[in-house]
Amino acid sequence: DTAVSQTPKYLVTQMGNDKSIKCEQNLGHDTMYWYKQDSKKFLKIMFSYNNKELIINETVPNRFSPKSPDKAHLNLHINSLELGDSAVYFCASTPTSGYEQYFGPGTRLTVT
Amino acid sequence: GEDVEQSLFLSVREGDSSVINCTYTDSSSTYLYWYKQEPGAGLQLLTYIFSNMDMKQDQRLTVLLNKKDKHLSLRIADTQTGDSAIYFCAGYSSASKIIFGSGTRLSIRP
Repeated sequence: DTAVSQTPKYLVTQMGNDKSIKCEQNLGHDTMYWYKQDSKKFLKIMFSYNNKELIINETVPNRFSPKSPDKAHLNLHINSLELGDSAVYFCASTPTSGYEQYFGPGTRLTVT
Repeated sequence: GEDVEQSLFLSVREGDSSVINCTYTDSSSTYLYWYKQEPGAGLQLLTYIFSNMDMKQDQRLTVLLNKKDKHLSLRIADTQTGDSAIYFCAGYSSASKIIFGSGTRLSIRP
């Protein structure tokens, strides 16, 4: 009965590789987000989708490409991974009629 | 732009009250939140307050909002070891996104 789930939980990969992180929510929410949390725990929004449509796109390198096949899923694809991409990536979702944001457990990405 | 600021660390004795403070810049923030993050875990929504409220109480948690000073606080009564975590203050901004503070790491002394 997990509300917001992410896979994988851990991802270790080499520089230059391409990887994807998947997110699914079973809450029926319309809006989903990707956040990046760095080693100092600072949390920064990257993208937001509402009903499969991109509504927020912060200053993120275009190596990062979100994809929302339906409103319950928001995946994050990263091309040409760099050392600085190492972080914990959190997916979150929000109902259209509410303001509570629910987070997934995070994906710890380590680029070597 | 929007900004949310918190002190980085707070240490309290077990059984005492903890007060975590936060200031924000976006006066149009309609909702303000407190999230808890335990080691290795995601963010858990603890409580939130609507901008037209001054106070909200939920069991051991009390949220105070001073809209004039753009100051938000979270008081945890009878702090326990299980309260050790990072606490994030956040505000729902006019740009339809939630802006997070840097987090306050709460540690509990025996």
